[in-house]
Amino acid sequence: GAVVSQHPSWVICKSGTSVKIECRSLDFQATTMFWYRQFPKQSLMLMATSNEGSKATYEQGVEKDKFLINHASLTLSTLTVTSAHPEDSSFYICSASEGARLTGRADTQYFGPGTRLTVL
Amino acid sequence: AQSVTQLGSHVSVSEGALVLLRCNYSSSVPPYLFWYVQYPNQGLQLLLKYTTGATLVKGINGFEAEFKKSETSFHLTKPSAHMSDAAEYFCAARKQGQNFVFGPGTRLSVLP
Repeated sequence: GAVVSQHPSWVICKSGTSVKIECRSLDFQATTMFWYRQFPKQSLMLMATSNEGSKATYEQGVEKDKFLINHASLTLSTLTVTSAHPEDSSFYICSASEGARLTGRADTQYFGPGTRLTVL
Repeated sequence: AQSVTQLGSHVSVSEGALVLLRCNYSSSVPPYLFWYVQYPNQGLQLLLKYTTGATLVKGINGFEAEFKKSETSFHLTKPSAHMSDAAEYFCAARKQGQNFVFGPGTRLSVLP
């Protein structure tokens, strides 16, 4: 249980285009989803937190107009990188947290497999 | 602000040897603690977590960790390393109602 998927697993795009990454919780309802960015050989950097039906909360230094996050349902969140540039190339990872406490999983984040974005 | 430190960015062990990965947190109130493993080009997989109760927590793949409040530590151990254990390991802490804080990670190499 507690499986999170991401699509696509990798994407190559031209500079100036927009790219959408999907994050889905497959077997639980994710009241909160998180988006991270990871540079090579580094830890995860939290970009934003989104709660279903609400606007995302962005971390300091993350451009909300560039990284659009939508959490329209309890199983799906999307991250759109708008007008991508080569410096946006990175590994993007989403995670999801279940709100219900009955399963004992409310305090844990479950991670997707990540999306490798390369901007040419 | 809460922080998580992992002593040793790179740890090498021989196959069959004990694995010890260190994690310390800074918090006056013990947070929830987690260990995740990341294989190349993949997301993070939960190994184990401590929230309350028994301080020795057993996880998947033969790993376990012990919460020691007096030492503000949550070190990860495995009695006998396997080649498949080679990966990046992240310790994370979370106080109730707050976001996760991740350590910098420790890369584990297993030598034949």
